[in-house]
This record gives sequence, structure tokens and C-alpha cells, in this order.
Amino acid sequence: AQKVTQAQTEISVVEKEDVTLDCVYETRDTTYYLFWYKQPPSGELVFLIRRNSFDEQNEISGRYSWNFQKSTSSFNFTITASQVVDSAVYFCALSEGSSGNTPLVFGKGTRLSVIA
Amino acid sequence: DAGITQSPRHKVTETGTPVTLRCHQTENHRYMYWYRQDPGHGLRLIHYSYGVKDTDKGEVSDGYSVSRSKTEDFLLTLESATSSQTSVYFCAISESGTALDEKLFFGSGTQLSVL
Repeated sequence: AQKVTQAQTEISVVEKEDVTLDCVYETRDTTYYLFWYKQPPSGELVFLIRRNSFDEQNEISGRYSWNFQKSTSSFNFTITASQVVDSAVYFCALSEGSSGNTPLVFGKGTRLSVIA
Repeated sequence: DAGITQSPRHKVTETGTPVTLRCHQTENHRYMYWYRQDPGHGLRLIHYSYGVKDTDKGEVSDGYSVSRSKTEDFLLTLESATSSQTSVYFCAISESGTALDEKLFFGSGTQLSVL
């Protein structure tokens, strides 16, 4: 069965600090997809990134970067030079199987607070 | 933004009463999902649908039923609401259900309080 663990329940950083959100997953499939979603205080869920199990390249998008390591079953998310607007709950999620249509299983989320 | 509308946005009800939440989409997407969000639990799948009249259970389906009589609407029913069903409910849609080229689009959520 698939499982996603976000061990950090809450993180608080001062603005401009770098912060890494951890995500560890479990799956028996060799084909799977990993996601990160952001939920700001307004409550909506915003898609950030999707990565398939065959693509271990790290990805950078502005201040955001993702480190995917199959050897440790981790898909960590780093925010560089954090800003107050980054304050949100961040969810890591997994969909397993080659069909890709297994519903997403989410981690419990990490609440990030960026203090000015 | 994907066209997803959840109704109602907020509801307060009493224990033992039936409640129906509606998710309406204008995207003609095949897959629709109901998740609930609770502190300390993240998002958990209740039920999902992969077509009209095709539904399946998720992780926390007990006490809930769903129906999908047409592509655009996915209804979530609490037959007899309990206080443990107080939660924020999110509907999501996906065109193909595959993660190859798709992501879930979420509605704005329904805050349900069962007193």
C-alpha cells in the first residue's frame, strides 16, 4: 500500500532563511508519481509540481527546488530565501501504478510559518 | 482556473440529520474525488468516481455514500451525520486520472460542522 510521511508538522523560519520540507514515501510499484501542493491561509489547494518515478532530476523553479532521491524514497522541497507569502501548509502526495489513475494519497502536511 | 463549484460552502447541521454536498464541474472531466481535511490527518480520500455511475471507495468511506448520475455532478451524502464528520470537504477533478499529464484541480472546499 502506498504511504506518504511528512514528519515535520510545523516549521517556523525567519524571512530570507532557506527551509526544506521533507517527504518520504512508500510504494511497491516501480512506476509512481509524486506531487507537492500548497494550501495558503485562504484554503485553496495549489498544485506545485509533479514528478514521475523515472525522472530523478532535481527541479528548480524560481525560489523553489525539489530533490527526488529514489534510494531514500524521498521527495524533499526547498524554499530559498523564504518570504512571508510562503506561509502555508504544504502537502506531499503519491499516486502509484503505471496507469497513473490511482487516487492521490496525501501526507499529513507541514505547516510553514515565515516570520518577517 | 478549472471550473469546479462546491455547494454549500458552509453548513451547520445536527447529529443524525442527512447532509448532501454537491460538486459541480464544467470541464467534462472523467474523474471526480471527494477528500476530507482534518488537522493532523491531511487530506484523506472518501470516494471517487471514474465515470457516470462508476464509483469506488477511498480510505475513509464509512458513513458516506456518493452518486454520479451525470458527468458534471458528484454528490457526497452523509446519511446520518455524526460529530466525527465535522471537517472541510474538498472535491477534485482530473481529466484522465493519469498522473502522466494531469494534476488534480480542487474546489474551494465545504466547511461542515455537525453539532
